[in-house]
Amino acid sequence: DGGITQSPKYLFRKEGQNVTLSCEQNLNHDAMYWYRQDPGQGLRLIYYSQIVNDFQKGDIAEGYSVSREKKESFPLTVTSAQKNPTAFYLCASSIVRNTEAFFGQGTRLTVV
Amino acid sequence: SQQGEEDPQALSIQEGENATMNCSYKTSINNLQWYRQNSGRGLVHLILIRSNEREKHSGRLRVTLDTSKKSSSLLITASRAADTASYFCATDPNTGNQFYFGTGTSLTVIP
Repeated sequence: DGGITQSPKYLFRKEGQNVTLSCEQNLNHDAMYWYRQDPGQGLRLIYYSQIVNDFQKGDIAEGYSVSREKKESFPLTVTSAQKNPTAFYLCASSIVRNTEAFFGQGTRLTVV
Repeated sequence: SQQGEEDPQALSIQEGENATMNCSYKTSINNLQWYRQNSGRGLVHLILIRSNEREKHSGRLRVTLDTSKKSSSLLITASRAADTASYFCATDPNTGNQFYFGTGTSLTVIP
C-alpha cells in the first residue's frame, strides 16, 4: 500500500537530548513537509523540501534540523536548542508543492 | 501572520443536520484546501478549490470560495456521527512557497 509512515508514534525525551523523528513515503512525491501542532491550534510549518538535497525553513525552524538525502525520507531532528519541544509532529508529502497533501499519523513528543 | 481562521471554533449538531464552517484568510491565493483530522491522528485531504472556482462538490461536501471577501465555507450535509472531527482550511498564497493552515473547527455530531 502506498502511504506515508511516521515513527515512533510516541517519543519521550529528556531535557538536553536531541531526538530524530522518522518520516518515510512510498508515493514518489517530490515535496515533503514537517508541521508542529500544539493543543487546540492549527499546524505550523517547520521545514519543507521540494526536491532531494534541498530544503527550506518554515515559520518555526529554530531548534530543528532536517535532511533529504533520499526522495522517500525526510527525518526531523529536534535539538536541545528547541525550548518547548513537547508537541504533536506531523509529516506530509505532495506530488509538487502545495497540492493535495498526504499526512502521516503523527509523532507525539513529550519532554520529561 | 498569513494563517487563516475558521469559524466557529466549535460546533455541535444532531445527526442528520447540516454543518457549516467558514474560513477567512488575508492574502490572495492560488487555491484553498479543506482537511479533516480525527483526534490524535494525521490530516486527511477533503477537497481543493482553485482561485478561479466558486463552488465545488464532493459527495456530501460542498465548498464555496469568495475571493473578493477572502473567505470559504465548507458545508457537510446529512451529517453522521463519523463526521465528528476537526476541520482545517489551508491556503496557498500567490507569494511564498508554503500553505497556511487555519486554527480549525471542532465538529461534534451527536447520534
